[in-house]
Amino acid sequence: KQEVTQIPAALSVPEGENLVLNCSFTDSAIYNLQWFRQDPGKGLTSLLLIQSSQREQTSGRLNASLDKSSGRSTLYIAASQPGDSATYLCAALYSSASKIIFGSGTRLSIRP
Amino acid sequence: KAGVTQTPRYLIKTRGQQVTLSCSPISGHRSVSWYQQTPGQGLQFLFEYFSETQRNKGNFPGRFSGRQFSNSRSEMNVSTLELGDSALYLCASRGGANQPQHFGDGTRLSIL
Repeated sequence: KQEVTQIPAALSVPEGENLVLNCSFTDSAIYNLQWFRQDPGKGLTSLLLIQSSQREQTSGRLNASLDKSSGRSTLYIAASQPGDSATYLCAALYSSASKIIFGSGTRLSIRP
Repeated sequence: KAGVTQTPRYLIKTRGQQVTLSCSPISGHRSVSWYQQTPGQGLQFLFEYFSETQRNKGNFPGRFSGRQFSNSRSEMNVSTLELGDSALYLCASRGGANQPQHFGDGTRLSIL
């Protein structure tokens, strides 16, 4: 069964720290993996999309990596800010016509 | 480019009624997916439509149905509403398997 897991469910760090969010997937035959953030009561905002042929993608202070052999993706956030507080979800696509499978998310809180 | 638009934003219904939610995808996107999000169950996949055909389906009862029109706009219908149907319903669209999925702000459905 294809599953996506995110641990921990919640994380609190002081402002300014660099941090890493984890995402694990059970099937290494992944098509692509996407990271989202969600603010309370809002929809999901796409952050980064990594294709299966790529190892990482960067956007500003965010860097996402993909290691298919170990079934892991990480989202690195540099110099965290209170505005980064949100729930972060990863989602895996296994084929061009399959449904996207979401993890349950990590709720991130940045303390001023 | 306009984003994914969902209407209405908020809706209050009573048990036994039915409801129709609407989603307009980003122009050019042919894939539209629907999700239900609740505090207890998280983000759950309802179904995906591609070129007016249901391509993938989640594990929801037949009371939940959808359709997609030739202009890629999609509607979701829930009949015989139950209290447990209270949730944030999210719609997402993407232009292709190698493109990121983009979400609307959702419709908040409350059942009294």
